[in-house]
Amino acid sequence: GENVEQHPSTLSVQEGDSAVIKCTYSDSASNYFPWYKQELGKGPQLIIDIRSNVGEKKDQRIAVTLNKTAKHFSLHITETQPEDSAVYFCAASFFRGFKTIFGAGTRLFVKA
Amino acid sequence: SQTIHQWPATLVQPVGSPLSLECTVEGTSNPNLYWYRQAAGRGLQLLFYSVGIGQISSEVPQNLSASRPQDRQFILSSKKLLLSDSGFYLCAWRGAGGREETQYFGPGTRLLVL
Repeated sequence: GENVEQHPSTLSVQEGDSAVIKCTYSDSASNYFPWYKQELGKGPQLIIDIRSNVGEKKDQRIAVTLNKTAKHFSLHITETQPEDSAVYFCAASFFRGFKTIFGAGTRLFVKA
Repeated sequence: SQTIHQWPATLVQPVGSPLSLECTVEGTSNPNLYWYRQAAGRGLQLLFYSVGIGQISSEVPQNLSASRPQDRQFILSSKKLLLSDSGFYLCAWRGAGGREETQYFGPGTRLLVL
């Protein structure tokens, strides 16, 4: 079935450094790739998404890249801040599909 | 704008007791609705999803059940809780029929079974 693999499971960076989280998906029909940030005790919140007709998307310090041929996509956070510390989930779904397939999550620690 | 509510926020229940968690969505109609469970420090496990009133699909066999008595109401239930039912329960919604791709999560209910 559909599967999304996410790496690393834990990432620790120094404040101001960049953080990169990578995901691969198995279903070639997937055409929508959201990223979520989950803070402790809260529900996941959408932070950025990308559709299959786009290779890269940026929103301030956050960017996502997509390589459809290789079926992988990545989240890039630049100039990390302590408030970026959270669990990040990548996901994949397709137009008119019922389910969104989530990666296992990456726990990001930003050390001040 | 759309809003999703879950209650209660926190629940402590004894083993063998019943469970009812409620989720409601405002500002949209005929949404797809989802229940996820998240064990401590773990990922999101899809439990149930619903594409309409009375239509429930189960992803994982267990002692939990779901119901959708109204268009924007989704209920997670159990007749007898197990210790392993402890976790963080998340409700989510997504627009039906492909008109909205993004899944939005509620604030969650933390359940502790003792």
